[in-house]
Amino acid sequence: AAGVIQSPRHLIKEKRETATLKCYPIPRHDTVYWYQQGPGQDPQFLISFYEKMQSDKGSIPDRFSAQQFSDYHSELNMSSLELGDSALYFCASSSPGSGTEAFFGQGTRLTVV
Amino acid sequence: KQEVTQIPAALSVPEGENLVLNCSFTDSAIYNLQWFRQDPGKGLTSLLLIQSSQREQTSGRLNASLDKSSGRSTLYIAASQPGDSATYLCAANVGGSRLTFGEGTQLTVNP
Repeated sequence: AAGVIQSPRHLIKEKRETATLKCYPIPRHDTVYWYQQGPGQDPQFLISFYEKMQSDKGSIPDRFSAQQFSDYHSELNMSSLELGDSALYFCASSSPGSGTEAFFGQGTRLTVV
Repeated sequence: KQEVTQIPAALSVPEGENLVLNCSFTDSAIYNLQWFRQDPGKGLTSLLLIQSSQREQTSGRLNASLDKSSGRSTLYIAASQPGDSATYLCAANVGGSRLTFGEGTQLTVNP
């Protein structure tokens, strides 16, 4: 069965650079979520999109932005990267309806040096 | 604001033992509660999803229960195996959207 695809899997950037993370949800899933997991921490919700519109916003820094495109894939854009942005970034998707099961991708490990 | 707590933070058991992982949440108005497994540096694998109207869900050797009124969920693992070693996370869904995660229980099953 198709799963949530994230790219790239690993990314190394220098401070103050920009990064773009991509997420391809499971086919026919209309909702995408982004989470950030720092070392030794639990995942923290960043932002979500439903039918290409932002549906919820969590602890996402102003330096980050995201969008969902017409084909339902989503991109997380991160600018002015800081050392503290080093983390595992997860994308998840869910099917139509409230409270449906969320399926997570394998994550993108971002290292800022 | 929803807060999720998991106890214990770490657990080490011999192979074959039955075990229970605990999860508590502060806001009982949840849509569902989901249990995940995470291997070191890897993604989150969904194990079980319990809707707010359900009491429990079973999948193989795993059984998850939900008691909304007391704000608790448990994950029962029967006949544990070394391959079960991982971090187990519970996550509460409030508002039908975002998940709020607990800090996880790191499980080690010794051969």
